[in-house]
Amino acid sequence: NAGVTQTPKFRVLKTGQSMTLLCAQDMNHEYMYWYRQDPGMGLRLIHYSVGEGTTAKGEVPDGYNVSRLKKQNFLLGLESAAPSQTSVYFCASSYYTGGGQPQHFGDGTRLSIL
Amino acid sequence: DAKTTQPNSMESNEEEPVHLPCNHSTISGTDYIHWYRQLPSQGPEYVIHGLTSNVNNRMASLAIAEDRKSSTLILHRATLRDAAVYYCIRNNFNKFYFGSGTKLNVKP
Repeated sequence: NAGVTQTPKFRVLKTGQSMTLLCAQDMNHEYMYWYRQDPGMGLRLIHYSVGEGTTAKGEVPDGYNVSRLKKQNFLLGLESAAPSQTSVYFCASSYYTGGGQPQHFGDGTRLSIL
Repeated sequence: DAKTTQPNSMESNEEEPVHLPCNHSTISGTDYIHWYRQLPSQGPEYVIHGLTSNVNNRMASLAIAEDRKSSTLILHRATLRDAAVYYCIRNNFNKFYFGSGTKLNVKP
């Protein structure tokens, strides 16, 4: 049972380039999330999805787009990368409930924008 | 503000109990309190959660104040593997609000 898998694990981009981060979960979870974590700080929610075909904005959505075409996958896109988007990105998933379910996290993608 | 307030760091001796405090004075009636921990270069790991009553599991205990404005994570016997950043989180309809967490140092 792999849980939550993020690819790639590391990436270096130049300013203005685009890329897509992939998150896959094998737990049949309805909810999926993308967070970013900057040095010495807690995680901040970028976007989330409450089911296949649906997405919603979180705390820091600007500069990112997401898609949930399949229940098990949640993609995070950077259309034109900026140095301020240098961060560690975490994906998470959970069952559909009103707040009492834990989130399961991947090991993160370390992204550097030069 | 939906975030919680925790001390930046705490220190404990190995095999002694550790009490990690968290303040969430603006919590609403439907918010759960979750605790996660994060080891270096890893994603957060679920520890425990609760709504109103105290909770126990194999990893820790969670004590929630009667007015729900604060809570305490209790590690009964700290080990070196418990050294991590511990996050106290308000969970509102599956949206988590992370603070900066408490860095726990465990001394042998």
